[in-house]
Amino acid sequence: LAKTTQPISMDSYEGQEVNITCSHNNIATNDYITWYQQFPSQGPRFIIQGYKTKVTNEVASLFIPADRKSSTLSLPRVSLSDTAVYYCLVGDTGRRALTFGSGTRLQVQP
Amino acid sequence: EAQVTQNPRYLITVTGKKLTVTCSQNMNHEYMSWYRQDPGLGLRQIYYSMNVEVTDKGDVPEGYKVSRKEKRNFPLILESPSPNQTSLYFCASSPRGTGEQYFGPGTRLTVT
Repeated sequence: LAKTTQPISMDSYEGQEVNITCSHNNIATNDYITWYQQFPSQGPRFIIQGYKTKVTNEVASLFIPADRKSSTLSLPRVSLSDTAVYYCLVGDTGRRALTFGSGTRLQVQP
Repeated sequence: EAQVTQNPRYLITVTGKKLTVTCSQNMNHEYMSWYRQDPGLGLRQIYYSMNVEVTDKGDVPEGYKVSRKEKRNFPLILESPSPNQTSLYFCASSPRGTGEQYFGPGTRLTVT
C-alpha cells in the first residue's frame, strides 16, 4: 500500500495561500491522489483528485510532479473556515484497500 | 439530495451485545467502505466492497463483519462489541475506482 507522509500541522493567516505537500514515494501506476478536508466530528469531504500534472477546481489546485512521488494541495486566499485537517490519500478503489495518512492540521488565524 | 446516510448517529451499548450500524447511499456507487477514526490514529479502513456480494478486509477488520446484498446498503456488524471498539465510524461510497469517496456523517459508538 502506498504510504503517505504529510506535515502534522501548519499555521496561516486569512488571505494567504497555503500549500500542503504530501510525500508518497511508492505510489503505484494506477493510483490516484485525492485530498480531503475534515472538520471535527464530521466525515471527510472530497476536495480534489488528480493523476498527474496540475488539476484545478473552484476551491483548490493540485500539483503533481512528473515522478508522482509527491503532491501539493494549494488553497488560495484561505479564510477562518478553512481551519481543518487535510488528508492526502493515494490509491485506487477499483483494486484494493485504501489507507489514509495522519493528515495535516491547518490553523488559519485572523 | 445525493448522500450517504448512517444510523444510528450515536450509540451507547454494553460489551457483548450485538449491534448493526446501517449505511445507505443513493448515488448508485459501486464501491463502499467502512472506516473508524480514533484520536491520534487517523482514519483506518475496516472493510470495503467493490460491488454487490464482493467484500474484503481493510487494515483493521478484527471484530467486525459486513455484508453487501444490495448496491445501496453496506451494514457494519459488531457481533460481540468490546470497549476497544469505542470509536467514531464513517461509511463512504465511491462512484468509480479512483479513490474519490463521499462520506457519511459518522456514528459515534461507545461500548462500556
